[in-house]
Amino acid sequence: AQSVAQPEDQVNVAEGNPLTVKCTYSVSGNPYLFWYVQYPNRGLQFLLKYITGDNLVKGSYGFEAEFNKSQTSFHLKKPSALVSDSALYFCAVRGSARQLTFGSGTQLTVLP
Amino acid sequence: GAGVSQSPSNKVTEKGKDVELRCDPISGHTALYWYRQSLGQGLEFLIYFQGNSAPDKSGLPSDRFSAERTGGSVSTLTIQRTQQEDSAVYLCASSLSSGTETQYFGPGTRLLVL
Repeated sequence: AQSVAQPEDQVNVAEGNPLTVKCTYSVSGNPYLFWYVQYPNRGLQFLLKYITGDNLVKGSYGFEAEFNKSQTSFHLKKPSALVSDSALYFCAVRGSARQLTFGSGTQLTVLP
Repeated sequence: GAGVSQSPSNKVTEKGKDVELRCDPISGHTALYWYRQSLGQGLEFLIYFQGNSAPDKSGLPSDRFSAERTGGSVSTLTIQRTQQEDSAVYLCASSLSSGTETQYFGPGTRLLVL
């Protein structure tokens, strides 16, 4: 079985400050990890993924994520937050099963 | 290019009625997935199609749910005898293959069962 935990339902950060959205996972075999963002009344938009290789993955809109195998984590980061980054963020994992298993989501609010 | 499209965007139905939700994947994508997003359950996998292989139906919550994919492209998710607990946003995604390829999501169909 595969699972994802996003321990924070809500993250608030001031504009211009760095942001981190946490994600830990459990999966058999090699993990394939994804971050998606969802704006109100919209579908999920792909941000970045880790398949193999460098532990630091860079994605869209200045976001990046660091894969840590020993801590089974894949935290999403951005050096300087924008008000427009405010949205719902989902971490997902794919192991041997073809489908994605999602975390419960983290609502990010960037305060002006 | 065009992304994944879904129709209708919103559907209101009465308990006990059947509904059909449609998904048009990105052209050339061989893998297609249906997920459900609800307040109580979060994002759940429903069913997965890959090419001409038999679909993986392991996520369907009951036998009232079914899906088909015609010609390896368009997919229809059917819910028979809808119940209030079926109210959710139904999301479709497609990918180039079922490997490590990224799944791209449509805007979803918001279903409300009265």
